[in-house]
Amino acid sequence: NAGVTQTPKFRILKIGQSMTLQCAQDMNHNYMYWYRQDPGMGLKLIYYSVGAGITDKGEVPNGYNVSRSTTEDFPLRLELAAPSQTSVYFCASSNSGGGQETQYFGPGTRLLVL
Amino acid sequence: QQQVKQSPQSLIVQKGGISIINCAYENTAFDYFPWYQQFPGKGPALLIAIRPDVSEKKEGRFTISFNKSAKQFSLHIMDSQPGDSATYFCAASMTDYKLSFGAGTTVTVRA
Repeated sequence: NAGVTQTPKFRILKIGQSMTLQCAQDMNHNYMYWYRQDPGMGLKLIYYSVGAGITDKGEVPNGYNVSRSTTEDFPLRLELAAPSQTSVYFCASSNSGGGQETQYFGPGTRLLVL
Repeated sequence: QQQVKQSPQSLIVQKGGISIINCAYENTAFDYFPWYQQFPGKGPALLIAIRPDVSEKKEGRFTISFNKSAKQFSLHIMDSQPGDSATYFCAASMTDYKLSFGAGTTVTVRA
């Protein structure tokens, strides 16, 4: 089991460029999440999905989009990158609903927007 | 607005000492309180969790103390070891799937 995998590990973007952060899990989890982590701010939920074809906004969705066409994959799309999107992005998954399920995190993608 | 307030931001402890991290919340609907541990360059991983029907939970050298009336909970790391050096996040959730995280505490254990 690879768990939750994320690619790329690091990326530099220019302002206005777009990119897709990839996330995949092999645990057959229904729930998947995208967080961003900024220094001193903890983790903020960007988007989440409760199953293939179903997504919803978290706390900080502006500037991002997601899709969930399969159980395994949950890509995060950044359109028109801005310096404020410089952050570390974590994807996570959990077995089922309820905030009391353990969330399994990927290793993160460090993004720098210049 | 941070729904879970965590302190201190960082702490340094000698090997064998006790590390204490505190968290406070306002939303009385929260009913699950996990702690996540994150090593540099890695994603967070669940360390230990508690529900409000108990006041304390211990797993090895890690203990959560929970004070429902004060809306506070804390993580105690006993006999701290250099391998415990990491960032610790408290979190809280209601019956839905969304976790609200604290800002994190960086713990450094000096040998």
